[in-house]
Order: sequence, then C-alpha cells, then structure tokens
Amino acid sequence: EPEVTQTPSHQVTQMGQEVILRCVPISNHLYFYWYRQILGQKVEFLVSFYNNEISEKSEIFDDQFSVERPDGSNFTLKIRSTKLEDSAMYFCASTRRLGEGNYGYTFGSGTRLTVV
Amino acid sequence: AQKVTQAQTEISVVEKEDVTLDCVYETRDTTYYLFWYKQPPSGELVFLIRRNSFDEQNEISGRYSWNFQKSTSSFNFTITASQVVDSAVYFCALSEARPADTGNQFYFGTGTSLTVIP
Repeated sequence: EPEVTQTPSHQVTQMGQEVILRCVPISNHLYFYWYRQILGQKVEFLVSFYNNEISEKSEIFDDQFSVERPDGSNFTLKIRSTKLEDSAMYFCASTRRLGEGNYGYTFGSGTRLTVV
Repeated sequence: AQKVTQAQTEISVVEKEDVTLDCVYETRDTTYYLFWYKQPPSGELVFLIRRNSFDEQNEISGRYSWNFQKSTSSFNFTITASQVVDSAVYFCALSEARPADTGNQFYFGTGTSLTVIP
C-alpha cells in the first residue's frame, strides 16, 4: 500500500527559528495538502497545492508559512519564524485526480512540532 | 458553510459493550464524501471508511458499522463488542466535490475520545 512519508516524526525548535517539514507524497498523486492539529483539538486545513502553486489556503496559513515542491517528489512546509502557538502535529496528505470515484486521500503519519 | 459536529467529546465503555459515535454534518453540496478516521495515542490518522453522498447503504466491516442517513445529515459509527485496542480519538470528516484546480479540503469534527475499560 503506497504511503505518504513525513520527516521528521518529531522536531523541537526554538521560538523564532525557521523550520521545514518534509513530505513525500504518493508518486502518482497530483494534489498535496498540509493540515495542522494543535494538541487535543481538531485537524485543521492549512493549504492545498496543485500544478506547482497554492490552490487554496486557510486563514491560518499566513505570511509565516510557505510551501514548495522543490524537486518533483518532496513537498515541504516552511514556517519562517516559529511561535509557541505553532506547536502542533502537522499532517501532509495527497490525492489523485479529483472526480474519480476514489481519489485516494492519504494522510502521512505526521510531524510533531514543539516550539520552545 | 461546511461543518462537522461530533457532540460527544469523551465516551467510556466497558470492554465488550457496543458504542456509537455520532457525527452530524452540514454542506450545501449534493456531491460530497464522508470519512471516519481513528487517531491512536501515537498520533497518526488511520483511515476507517469513506462514503459518498450517493451511496446510503450502511456498511459493516467486522466489529465496525456505519449508518449514513442523508435525511438527518448523520454518519454514525458503531463499534460492536468493544475492545481495549479501540481506545482512541475518532474523527468524522467531510470533503466536497470541488473544481479540478483546487483540491479537496477536509473539514474535520472535533473528535470523540473513546476509552474502553478492561
């Protein structure tokens, strides 16, 4: 079963530092997403990415966040200057072409980011 | 507006009891997909089921069953003969049909934390 792979599984960073969370989506998937889950809360949409550009983003996804697909396989989320409230589990997801009966929405196992 | 409501924040049951987790959703779309995910203490999201809006058949998979009722906008999840390994947070989620250039955003409920007591 193909998987979405996220690295690292846990990252600790100091407030104000930049972090990059990495994801390798499933190879034939076309749409890529990042979600965030603050401890004990629900999973929230951050951003979707298609055809090398952001297709949709939530109000959480402010100027401190950016996404990139640098080499055709990795999909990264960068937080420029981390704040304590950025501490959360970050999930990457990918899907095939939409409109198919089963577009195969697959989540990675998450990166737990702790900002100290 | 899209919304998923899981009114039960926490549920505790004794092993072997049946338990139903409620999910109510709101959407204006006629085409949409509903999901249940399990989140164990390790934190990953484990896919359980996907249902599209045109298929109202209930589904059973081992000890798990799902009851989809469009008339009440509900997609409830029942675990029969619960086991300690079922202890986790369970999330219901909604995804709508979207134009091909935007992707499919998930709207998650707030989750129900299930504890199965041995």
